[in-house]
Amino acid sequence: DVKVTQSSRYLVKRTGEKVFLECVQDMDHENMFWYRQDPGLGLRLIYFSYDVKMKEKGDIPEGYSVSREKKERFSLILESASTNQTSMYLCASSPGDNQPQHFGDGTRLSIL
Amino acid sequence: AQKITQTQPGMFVQEKEAVTLDCTYDTSDPSYGLFWYKQPSSGEMIFLIYQGSYDQQNATEGRYSLNFQKARKSANLVISASQLGDSAMYFCALQIMEYGNKLVFGAGTILRVKS
Repeated sequence: DVKVTQSSRYLVKRTGEKVFLECVQDMDHENMFWYRQDPGLGLRLIYFSYDVKMKEKGDIPEGYSVSREKKERFSLILESASTNQTSMYLCASSPGDNQPQHFGDGTRLSIL
Repeated sequence: AQKITQTQPGMFVQEKEAVTLDCTYDTSDPSYGLFWYKQPSSGEMIFLIYQGSYDQQNATEGRYSLNFQKARKSANLVISASQLGDSAMYFCALQIMEYGNKLVFGAGTILRVKS
């Protein structure tokens, strides 16, 4: 089974802090994704990566950056956390087209 | 622009009955895919079923089937013989056939199965 592991289930940080969310997948997938999930809005794509050191902006990249130094790891960075970034963050990976994305358990991030 | 619309914020269904969750989509790309995911209260996203735009037959996976009407741009999920464990949030998603195969998600439908 594909395993996508997110480093924390719950995280509380303060405004202005730099926050790192880590995601690791164990199936050698090419593609990795970061979403945030908010009530009534579904999942919105923040960034994705289709190869090591490659990254592409999703629909809501503002206030975020990403890093993919190794194929199995995709990190989401909040450069200076703000309260409107309080949300559920979901990481996913997939091997390619027509294949489902496999999701981690999510990180519920609160910015105080 | 690609868009997914789920018009039912919440649905109730009696245990053992069938239920249809609506999904309409908008894309100008002739090649696309449609996915349904289930998210229980525990939060994990569980892949249920996939339909490709060129697939001739509707997809089925156990109790799940996808009612794909291409001309109407709809991809409704049908759950037969509902079970209490089907209570969850359900998301429809449109796959963009370009590099990265990113997904566009709908807002979701909360399903509650009554005993």
